Amino acid sequence: QSALTQPASVSGSPGQSITISCTGTSSDVGGYNYVSWYQQHPGKAPKVMIYDVSNRPSGVSNRFSGSKSGNTASLTISGLQAEDEADYYCASYTSTSTLVFGGGTKLTVL
Amino acid sequence: EEQLVESGGGLVQPGGSLRLSCAASGFSFSSYTMSWVRQAPGKGLEWVAKMREDGNEIYYVDSVKGRFTISRENGKNSLYLQMNSLRAEDTAVYYCVRGGARYFAFWGRGTLVTVSS
Repeated sequence: QSALTQPASVSGSPGQSITISCTGTSSDVGGYNYVSWYQQHPGKAPKVMIYDVSNRPSGVSNRFSGSKSGNTASLTISGLQAEDEADYYCASYTSTSTLVFGGGTKLTVL
Repeated sequence: EEQLVESGGGLVQPGGSLRLSCAASGFSFSSYTMSWVRQAPGKGLEWVAKMREDGNEIYYVDSVKGRFTISRENGKNSLYLQMNSLRAEDTAVYYCVRGGARYFAFWGRGTLVTVSS
């Protein structure tokens, strides 16, 4: 049950696009199309932004998109806005029927 | 409106026990896998345990196996986490979450558990 690997931080200017990576193994990210992404603002509960690799829940902006290649999943945020500044976590279903999170990425909007 | 409200957190000494509760409303509780996810102060998210809607499949993260027990009462729309033999490293905000089969769809606000002497 090792955590998935995410960059500690990413940054971008308003209007730009950024991508956050999430690397696992063939026993989690690479083995299932069950990768999800969560946004967490300080002091708040996390909120799902992407599920099943690339699906957006109702109400989530289409500026958020997800993809996967091999053992690495990615979250892309286009047209960066100040309110996107937050921590982002990926998660994946695993071969032992458990779930594992990434270590989290702090997004700074410059 | 969907709601998950956790309770039962607090300060407990190492080796002690605590029972967390989660009251669900606004959705069909008995139709969903439910999970507990925790976040240590200043740290990332860690999935702790999950239970399928019928209670027949239960899973735990290795670090809590044998110490924590997840349970639910569908008739009361409630989820529980019994935590025994608590350690300092169990200190965290514990979130009750709808989901866990594939992803975590909806989160409560969390309850803080502090293990300290």
